Amino acid sequence: GDKVKQSPSALSLQEGTNSALRCNFSIAATTVQWFLQNPRGSLINLFYLVPGTKENGRLKSTFNSKESYSTLHIRDAQLEDSGTYFCAAEAAYQGGRALIFGTGTTVSVSP
Amino acid sequence: GGIITQTPKFLIGQEGQKLTLKCQQNFNHDTMYWYRQDSGKGLRLIYYSITENDLQKGDLSEGYDASREKKSSFSLTVTSAQKNEMAVFLCASSHRTGLNYAEQFFGPGTRLTVL
Repeated sequence: GDKVKQSPSALSLQEGTNSALRCNFSIAATTVQWFLQNPRGSLINLFYLVPGTKENGRLKSTFNSKESYSTLHIRDAQLEDSGTYFCAAEAAYQGGRALIFGTGTTVSVSP
Repeated sequence: GGIITQTPKFLIGQEGQKLTLKCQQNFNHDTMYWYRQDSGKGLRLIYYSITENDLQKGDLSEGYDASREKKSSFSLTVTSAQKNEMAVFLCASSHRTGLNYAEQFFGPGTRLTVL
């Protein structure tokens, strides 16, 4: 099964509202990254997390390693928040370590 | 700061053709990666390299070769393009600290179409 499960797979928001995206891990993740993929396909780094919480403007992210999940909160959604959000967990991989990606949450913000 | 550049941006190939994608980074990062993204899906690791001349296979290495010629560059070769294949190939880099890898940064991608 999926080692990194993202939910929901799609989300429609009205401008000004709040929402949360979630990733559940079935692997022992040591760090988590969140990305936004814009319509041109570029991956924008949002957060790089060890266990704990970070905030950047209207975005806030938490990584709980003991309960194996991470969340991304969007506050006061704006049109430019539209895109696909990916979480990725760093975990043991074939004797080394690698980033394992979720399948993404597509967010559409409308006026 | 730094930047990752990928060439070409768009690549159109024929079935059976050998195709090479290139990636350069000026972060002075130790580790570089190649991922494949199929439409509507997440990224899957093809190859990574922790230092010059090192190569490590990912989940999708079959059908690909890679080469880390120098610290700043990492090439990926599709050994025999598959008909109707369409995907985006993304290059990334990060520092390496002990056994752990720091934050990864991504290039803009190469979009492959095979006719």
